[in-house]
Amino acid sequence: QVQLVESGGGVVQPGRSLRLSCAASGFPFSSYGIHWVRQAPGKGLEWVAAIWPDGNKKYYVDSVKGRFTISRDNSKNTLYLQMNSLRVEDTAMYYCAKYTSSWDYWGQGTLVTVSS
Amino acid sequence: QSVLTQPPSVSAAPGQKVTISCSGSSSNIGNNDVSWYQQLPGTAPKLLIYDNDKRPSGIPDRFSGSKSGTSATLGITGLQTGDEADYYCGTWHSSLSAGEFGGGTKLTVL
Repeated sequence: QVQLVESGGGVVQPGRSLRLSCAASGFPFSSYGIHWVRQAPGKGLEWVAAIWPDGNKKYYVDSVKGRFTISRDNSKNTLYLQMNSLRVEDTAMYYCAKYTSSWDYWGQGTLVTVSS
Repeated sequence: QSVLTQPPSVSAAPGQKVTISCSGSSSNIGNNDVSWYQQLPGTAPKLLIYDNDKRPSGIPDRFSGSKSGTSATLGITGLQTGDEADYYCGTWHSSLSAGEFGGGTKLTVL
């Protein structure tokens, strides 16, 4: 069955960096786009970033452009999100989600807290 | 502010039917397929409806979706207390190459 397992979250000070990972299994990872979606505490879903199956196309929400980088290693079935210059407003649960014509499978999320 | 507009909350009695609307524009819903997600308390979102009106395997036919113009609707019949959750609409904005979600609707089954 499809599984997505995020890791790498934690508490970090503003301005610092963090790298999230998403380990995938149960489907041909290199054939699908994978996205990051976040949810601030008590708030709704916010799409963050997307990467195409071959990694050649990457897209970001405006608020993270220039600070976050999405990447993938198809040989390891793993997705990454490098987050630099973190802000308090980046505090959220971060989900990776497999994308077909919709976000059809989601991981359980990893919590990122940006606080001094 | 979410680009897709949903009512913050809806409620109905067990066994009844409820609909949740998702309003957008010609640039998002008007030209792209809509999907719907259920998020039970403390859990990750789960796909309920994709491509406007299709149900993934395992989703009961109590859940339905439709789209007309720049709006989409999620319908739930035969409400159960286990349906209490937050529901989100979403779409991929193909011209912006960006994902978009509604603000979410909290369903209460009275």
